[in-house]
Amino acid sequence: VLTQSPATLSLSPGERATLSCRASESVSSFLGWYQQKPGQAPRLIIYDASNRATGIPARFSGSGSGTDFTLTISSLEPEDFAVYYCQQRSSWPLLTFGGGTKVEIK
Amino acid sequence: QLQLQESGPGLVKPSETLSLTCTVSGGSISISSYYWGWIRQPPGKGLEWIGSIYHSGSTYYKPSLMSRVTISVDTSKNQFSLTLSSVTAADTAIYYCARDDYYDRSGFYEHWGRGTLVTVSS
Repeated sequence: VLTQSPATLSLSPGERATLSCRASESVSSFLGWYQQKPGQAPRLIIYDASNRATGIPARFSGSGSGTDFTLTISSLEPEDFAVYYCQQRSSWPLLTFGGGTKVEIK
Repeated sequence: QLQLQESGPGLVKPSETLSLTCTVSGGSISISSYYWGWIRQPPGKGLEWIGSIYHSGSTYYKPSLMSRVTISVDTSKNQFSLTLSSVTAADTAIYYCARDDYYDRSGFYEHWGRGTLVTVSS
């Protein structure tokens, strides 16, 4: 089970966002992050805890291993306000997603 | 550029079978090392992985859905499909097809279809 916190993060553009994902058991570094905007499919941001997906800006970074992971957006741009999901592949082929964190404009 | 497109009925009656197809363009579904998946999202809720398939036909399903789900592949048409039997209102969701990337069996979905809303209602 992946638990994300907080459920909602209210921040202003230019601020730093820190999102958390906690696994009920170790997933090693096999964790990814997705961004989803209203009416759109999810977009992969980070894979294997800290690797940015193709075309993802450097303001997005991921860290962690084992059971505790963090997605950091160093300085929020207007287009970054969205819902973010973590996902583990440690139990491949069985995949699970966290419940999501909404980053909203304060 | 790889593109995925879901298609199928937008309305299914309770107890009947939901059937969706994902058509892949801009690349071959038979390419080695990549797995093709189905993910769904009930309106206003989070993402749920349903299952995945390899071009050889090997399939993997979420255990709680395994008794109702079948995923198949048609390499000649560059398509893969999802069937979900005995549907209820709880199966109402946006259904996405996707493909993983970056390394063999990564499980991280880089490529997604736009999704299709399936409503279960009489």
